[in-house]
Amino acid sequence: EVQLVQSGAEVKEPGESLKISCKGSGYTFTGYWIAWVRQMPGRGLEWMGIIYPGDSYTRYNPSFQGQVTISADKSTNTAYLQWSSLKASDTAIYYCTRHPKNKYNWFDPWGQGTLVTVSS
Amino acid sequence: QSVLTQPPSVSGAPGQRVTISCIGSSSNIGAPYDVHWYQHLPGTAPKLLIYGSNNRPSGVPDRFAGSKSGTSASLAISGLQADDEAEYYCQSYDNNLGGSLFGGGTKLTVL
Repeated sequence: EVQLVQSGAEVKEPGESLKISCKGSGYTFTGYWIAWVRQMPGRGLEWMGIIYPGDSYTRYNPSFQGQVTISADKSTNTAYLQWSSLKASDTAIYYCTRHPKNKYNWFDPWGQGTLVTVSS
Repeated sequence: QSVLTQPPSVSGAPGQRVTISCIGSSSNIGAPYDVHWYQHLPGTAPKLLIYGSNNRPSGVPDRFAGSKSGTSASLAISGLQADDEAEYYCQSYDNNLGGSLFGGGTKLTVL
């Protein structure tokens, strides 16, 4: 079974750094694009960017470029989303998900989501 | 800025049929790229409902049907059930964005 399992909820203060994870299993991790999707409180889904773990090629939504870093570790089948300096507006649920075929296609499966709360 | 436009809300009584529209442009649905649909319940991960504009993954009932024409797409849900109450999102690739674009989401209420 293809699965994406994300790290647990985080509570951080503004200005702190954070790295959340998404571990893939049940498939060849290096062969499929992984995307990160944000859902702010009461809002819809937003595509943040994608990474191809095979060569770490990364593409960002311009709205998130420079605000976050997407990376992957082939040795542990894990993708990451990180912030160097969190803001209160980063409070959201973050999902990782996979393109089953190529980056033009749908997303399936999805991780369970990681709630990030940024508050002083 | 590219957008996929969905109605904020739709509603219907049990057993009825509702449709949710997703209006795009020549840089996404009209490019043409396929449209995909997700069902999202609070506190859970989004669930793939329709892929490739009109295909259902295994396990999704045939009460759910997708269609696409030109720069728009639709999700039809027939035989409404109480547990269909959820948020529904369309998604497509967008040339301007260089990545995936989600619609704003539609809240389905089963009366």
